Amino acid sequence: IVLTQSPATLSLSPGERATLSCRASQSVTNYLAWYQQKPGQAPRLLIYDASNRATGIPARFSGSGSGTDFTLTISSLEPEDFAVYYCQQRSNWPITFGQGTRLEIK
Amino acid sequence: EVQLLESGGGLVQPGGSLRLSCAGSGFIFSSYAMSWVRQAPGEGLEWVSGISASSASTYYADSVRGRFTISRDNSKNTLYLQLNSLRAEDTAVYYCAKARITYDNSDYPDYWGQGTLVTVSS
Repeated sequence: IVLTQSPATLSLSPGERATLSCRASQSVTNYLAWYQQKPGQAPRLLIYDASNRATGIPARFSGSGSGTDFTLTISSLEPEDFAVYYCQQRSNWPITFGQGTRLEIK
Repeated sequence: EVQLLESGGGLVQPGGSLRLSCAGSGFIFSSYAMSWVRQAPGEGLEWVSGISASSASTYYADSVRGRFTISRDNSKNTLYLQLNSLRAEDTAVYYCAKARITYDNSDYPDYWGQGTLVTVSS
């Protein structure tokens, strides 16, 4: 299953709302996660099963969608949110990741 | 506190072999599926391989099937990845990761190590 993320790069300012998209080449039902990765660090799980926040993740992060279209929303950007975000599906083997969306400071 | 510590990376010639290890602590290692994910320099994440808690099931990306072998030793709380017939395109940071919930072979990784760099070059 191919996951296509858009946009490739998103330029926003702190306090603004961010909307990131992930589209699957076939239905993954709700078996989709979102990760955040900062330079030199391992990825961090943010959202699992499309809409559930992982332990310790702030409420400004939310996920939605099912089937083939998914969205990660960050309601009000904090300075520490600027990073690369990946979606990942576990509906079918092999597990696959999207190519990532870079969220940069405008 | 959950910790995952990878080791075994380094510089290897094309066609060569390496064995990566990942030592887990702070959780019941034998209850969780584990996986390897890699990231080439400046690139995105690529899932490589996964293994069930009991080792009964293993899974591979098409790009590594037949060349890489995942295994684990639950008595030592350690995950392994044997890399054979290495190619330049295998150059990457290799992360080990723990599944979020117990006994779910495909569950999302919730804890990751800091990675070990494998460089394939002559």
